[in-house]
Amino acid sequence: QVHLVESGGGLVKPGGSLRLSCAASGFSFSDNYMSWIRQAPGKGLEWISFISDNDKTIYYSDSVKGRFTISRDNAKKLVYLQMNSLSAEDTAVYYCARCGDARSGFFGFDPWGQGTLVTVSS
Amino acid sequence: IVLTQSPGTLSLSPGERATLFCRASQSVSSSYLAWYQQKPGQAPRLLIFGASSRGTAIPDRFSGSESGTDFTLTISRLEPEDSAVYYCQQYGSLPWTFGQGTKVEIK
Repeated sequence: QVHLVESGGGLVKPGGSLRLSCAASGFSFSDNYMSWIRQAPGKGLEWISFISDNDKTIYYSDSVKGRFTISRDNAKKLVYLQMNSLSAEDTAVYYCARCGDARSGFFGFDPWGQGTLVTVSS
Repeated sequence: IVLTQSPGTLSLSPGERATLFCRASQSVSSSYLAWYQQKPGQAPRLLIFGASSRGTAIPDRFSGSESGTDFTLTISRLEPEDSAVYYCQQYGSLPWTFGQGTKVEIK
């Protein structure tokens, strides 16, 4: 069964840093592309970052570029999101999701993890 | 690409047909348009990808279609568990973007 579990969320002060992790199971992680998406409380969905299967291609949304860094460890089946210079606008539930593979290409976000809440507040 | 969903809210009875719309501000490359269902307190679930292909284990009462820059999600016979917010999303051009969502209420 394809499964993703995020961790690492919590309360952080403005200007602080946090690293999120996403553990994958039930599929060939090293063959798949991964993304992070976030959802502010009561708001819609925002894609923020993508990493290819071999981590040679990485994209960010403008809202996080220069502050967030996505990475992966295929041996451990983990994808990370290092978040620096956090502000209140970064408060959200952060989801990881599989978003494609080299053979099939992109297929939307499927599945999603359960999400981890990041709260930026003093 | 800006995705505009309509209506904002849809209130229908069980067994009725629901039609949700998503208009893109420009052409969506390779029909890379997906639909998701999100229930309160849950992560979104992929319903449709490639504008019209159903995701894994998605009932066939969910269907997607496209006409130029207009995309449609149809739920042929609403069931009580279909009460949720539905989002469209394009993954053909960076940045990948979502619509603002349509809330489906079951009377």
